[in-house]
Amino acid sequence: EAAVTQSPRNKVAVTGGKVTLSCNQTNNHNNMYWYRQDTGHGLRLIHYSYGAGSTEKGDIPDGYKASRPSQENFSLILELATPSQTSVYFCASGEDWGNYAEQFFGPGTRLTVL
Amino acid sequence: GDSVTQTEGLVTLTEGLPVMLNCTYQSTYSPFLFWYVQHLNEAPKLLLKSFTDNKRPEHQGFHATLHKSSSSFHLQKSSAQLSDSALYYCALRDTGANTGKLTFGHGTILRVHP
Repeated sequence: EAAVTQSPRNKVAVTGGKVTLSCNQTNNHNNMYWYRQDTGHGLRLIHYSYGAGSTEKGDIPDGYKASRPSQENFSLILELATPSQTSVYFCASGEDWGNYAEQFFGPGTRLTVL
Repeated sequence: GDSVTQTEGLVTLTEGLPVMLNCTYQSTYSPFLFWYVQHLNEAPKLLLKSFTDNKRPEHQGFHATLHKSSSSFHLQKSSAQLSDSALYYCALRDTGANTGKLTFGHGTILRVHP
């Protein structure tokens, strides 16, 4: 079974503060993804990575940075958190070869920015 | 660009009745579609995916048929169960480079009541 873990699971931050969300996967997948989930918008891709050292912008990257220091770890960084970034954040890992593109999701982090 | 449309935000059903959740897509190239399911306070997980050889994927009593003529991949089940209550996402694999990126619809909440 694929294993993706996230920390913290819950976070309360203040406006203007820095927030780092961490993700670890033991699947040895090359690709990792950060999404946010909001009612009425579904899952939206923030950043993704092809492997250690790479980060790419997703569909809604503004206000977020990402870091992939190793195959296993992928972080999402909010340098100056704002209330509009209150959401549930999911990390996922996966591979893409041929027509196989399944993603395995972590349990999510609920972030509240006051 | 690629897009996925799920027209219903909420579907409410009585247990035992058939389920159909709509999904249509726009894709430049040959599409590869997924259905993900997310139960309350859990992570999204793969329910089923389309095949390239036109087989009909099935899982947990759910099935979906890819109709390229109508750009649809509707999710169906003959008889709803209480445990089917969840959030369902239709997703389209990115047909560009092998990023493994998925474009998700906004999701449909299925509520099954006795």
